[in-house]
Amino acid sequence: EVQLVQSGVEVKKPGESLKISCKASGYNFSPYWIGWVRQMPGKGLEWMGIIYPGDSDTRYSPSFQGQVTISADKSTSTAYLQWSSLKASDTAMYYCARRAGAYWYFDLWGRGTLVIVSS
Amino acid sequence: ENVLTQSPGTLSLSPGERATLSCRASQSVTGSYLAWYQQKPGQAPRLLMYHASSRATGIPDRFSGSGSGTDFTLTISRLEPEDFAVYYCQQYGSSPATFGQGTKVEIK
Repeated sequence: EVQLVQSGVEVKKPGESLKISCKASGYNFSPYWIGWVRQMPGKGLEWMGIIYPGDSDTRYSPSFQGQVTISADKSTSTAYLQWSSLKASDTAMYYCARRAGAYWYFDLWGRGTLVIVSS
Repeated sequence: ENVLTQSPGTLSLSPGERATLSCRASQSVTGSYLAWYQQKPGQAPRLLMYHASSRATGIPDRFSGSGSGTDFTLTISRLEPEDFAVYYCQQYGSSPATFGQGTKVEIK
């Protein structure tokens, strides 16, 4: 089955670091860009950034540049989203999603990772 | 960036009725590169339409998309109970790709 499996709920304190994962299965990981999308509680979708696992080419939305780091490991078919110092405002659901071939929309989504940042 | 504004914010309709959702862009969307997604509570978004009017795999034909330039529409011809959800548009004609704020289709 073609799917993206995301890591589980995370509860962290402000200032802590975090790395969440998105593991692809059922298809060849390297040639498909993987993006990350944020959804704050009760809010809409925000495009954060995207990575090409084949060569780790990474693009960030200006709103998220410098705030997070996106990476990928071809050997494990896994993409990552990480923070060096979390803030309460990072509390959100984070989805990974596969870019559909040559176009920048997403045809396959993970179920999301809930990140809660609270003191 | 290209800002997408969806209207209405909430659409209250009964099963069997027609739903018309609007997505307006602040700049022309290159190539009509616009997608629509459906999100139900507690679930990830699901791709419905791409290139403004192409249905994604497995999407029933009661869903249709249209538009070009700055104005796009998603139409659900006859609402089924499973169609009550939040719908988002996304443009991917310019960088960064952006989403609209969503339209909730609720049961009247």
